[in-house]
Amino acid sequence: GAGVSQSPSNKVTEKGKDVELRCDPISGHTALYWYRQSLGQGLEFLIYFQGNSAPDKSGLPSDRFSAERTGGSVSTLTIQRTQQEDSAVYLCASSSLAGGRDEQYFGPGTRLTVT
Amino acid sequence: QKEVEQDPGPLSVPEGAIVSLNCTYSNSAFQYFMWYRQYSRKGPELLMYTYSSGNKEDGRFTAQVDKSSKYISLFIRDSQPSDSATYLCAMNNSPQGGSEKLVFGKGMKLTVNP
Repeated sequence: GAGVSQSPSNKVTEKGKDVELRCDPISGHTALYWYRQSLGQGLEFLIYFQGNSAPDKSGLPSDRFSAERTGGSVSTLTIQRTQQEDSAVYLCASSSLAGGRDEQYFGPGTRLTVT
Repeated sequence: QKEVEQDPGPLSVPEGAIVSLNCTYSNSAFQYFMWYRQYSRKGPELLMYTYSSGNKEDGRFTAQVDKSSKYISLFIRDSQPSDSATYLCAMNNSPQGGSEKLVFGKGMKLTVNP
């Protein structure tokens, strides 16, 4: 079946511009995560959505970052007034929590470059 | 101190070698331990998933968890060039039926030379 998809695959933007990154989770998965992978760093958690519960935003690095999940499916990560340090690969993952096992499936990521 | 420490390498081995990858962690609440494999320009894919202490084997891959030492390992036997990738350890304290963010190591870049 279809996996997690993300768009765009690559995004180059100028410093100060806003960007929107999209994630389509696996159909039926109730949990959706955003992570960021910077050069030389591991994956850093950004935000987590689970069903209709309030999202866990504890990993968002600043108030320039926000995310929403519409209809319990597609999610959009928005970065306002982008800075060069925002350059990274942004990864989305989803999971179904079937059988109590939280196996997270990752998309291919969006490579963001801020010039 | 980061919650999860992993030597980023890189590590280069000849084909057929046994590879040992390790992570240490500081949060004793972690109960679920995973190894992800990430090929260049791809998303991470789950390789091994273990709960609490012990060993788990899947083909050429063996995952070990020692909670008393806060130390996890991944062994790859008879390594192949196709194993060349970045290996990331990850863990969380997700309760049964629940979910929690994963905390990742930095990832170890492995190259297996033919």
